[in-house]
Amino acid sequence: QKEVEQNSGPLSVPEGAIASLNCTYSDRVSQSFFWYRQYSGKSPELIMSIYSNGDKEDGRFTAQLNKASQYVSLLIRDSQPSDSATYLCAVNPGRNYQLIWGAGTKLIIKP
Amino acid sequence: DTGVSQDPRHKITKRGQNVTFRCDPISEHNRLYWYRQTLGQGPEFLTYFQNEAQLEKSRLLSDRFSAERPKGSFSTLEIQRTEQGDSAMYLCASSLAGGDQPQHFGDGTRLSIL
Repeated sequence: QKEVEQNSGPLSVPEGAIASLNCTYSDRVSQSFFWYRQYSGKSPELIMSIYSNGDKEDGRFTAQLNKASQYVSLLIRDSQPSDSATYLCAVNPGRNYQLIWGAGTKLIIKP
Repeated sequence: DTGVSQDPRHKITKRGQNVTFRCDPISEHNRLYWYRQTLGQGPEFLTYFQNEAQLEKSRLLSDRFSAERPKGSFSTLEIQRTEQGDSAMYLCASSLAGGDQPQHFGDGTRLSIL
């Protein structure tokens, strides 16, 4: 059983709409949660980190964490074609310092 | 802040050859991580260092792989007797100490085995 699950997509969203990306994790004691964006052929780039239940906003991005339900989501408002990328969810289970990674969701923003 | 630097960006080699990659972390970061990534997958953890100490190594990692961080600054990853299945993107990341610290990645080294 995978420890971090993401829908592989592709998720297609019209330009200007809200893109919603979801991630579930299996380890209840997980402490820290990260969203990374990865363009094709490039390395992952940190977008957001979240540690407490609730919402965290940064510009057009909002991360949402629900530890009781064991999911974390990323909302992208006013989606732009430049947001087209694969979004990776990473979870620190707290046991050690190795992040557990999802396989990523491919997002396509259609002009 | 110059970011994480990896060298080379691309490496093409014949099966059976040895290859070595270098990673220079962000200067104030004492943790350094190596990952491998193939198409359509998330990064696969290989090993990590805190300062010069190698604290964890993936159980899936073949003994053909070895990593060093001799002075707690840059790190090298060596693959001996390369195989076709070693073709992948090799990523290095660094962070400050603490499980809540985000990791920052270099541009990666793409390895192709002929």
